[in-house]
Amino acid sequence: ETGVTQTPRHLVMGMTNKKSLKCEQHLGHNAMYWYKQSAKKPLELMFVYSLEERVENNSVPSRFSPECPNSSHLFLHLHTLQPEDSALYLCASSQATATETQYFGPGTRLLVL
Amino acid sequence: QKEVEQDPGPLSVPEGAIVSLNCTYSNSAFQYFMWYRQYSRKGPELLMYTYSSGNKEDGRFTAQVDKSSKYISLFIRDSQPSDSATYLCAMITGGTSYGKLTFGQGTILTVHP
Repeated sequence: ETGVTQTPRHLVMGMTNKKSLKCEQHLGHNAMYWYKQSAKKPLELMFVYSLEERVENNSVPSRFSPECPNSSHLFLHLHTLQPEDSALYLCASSQATATETQYFGPGTRLLVL
Repeated sequence: QKEVEQDPGPLSVPEGAIVSLNCTYSNSAFQYFMWYRQYSRKGPELLMYTYSSGNKEDGRFTAQVDKSSKYISLFIRDSQPSDSATYLCAMITGGTSYGKLTFGQGTILTVHP
């Protein structure tokens, strides 16, 4: 595997379910990101782990919970989601500086029923 | 007011046309400017990365930055059907230990044979 991989690629879940999205990077980076991409909206940064420090967007609801067990793996735990959370969730990685290029995975297409 | 404004299109052009994609921004602290390309069912990939005002050329692609007008452009010469994608502008202020990207909404481009 090369680059940034994400699983699953597609996910359908009910509002009472709990699920997790997984991201893995094979680029030797030390910063990882979760983004939300909704139709007709700009990419929204949800969470960042950089050098083991977590940075989050304060507008992200608590029903989204990130976990970063090491510099290569990133999870997004989902629980009691709402239909408006349906979107493409993108993972990215980079070196831990402000200006390094971010490399994106293919995303997980999430549908909440 | 959005920090970054980008016309979402869609934009449809014939093969061989010159394409102009544009973004304006309001935050004068933005110092680094990027264009990402996103094909359907894929994550964004970096196309061009510029820092200073002026032009940067890479093959058929030219990125232009005008900091005084807070305006960036991407020109595609001799457009090809394979250029059909969503083009996202993104910007960074710097000064953080991670890449705090602010994206435009993205412009959907279709190049028809």
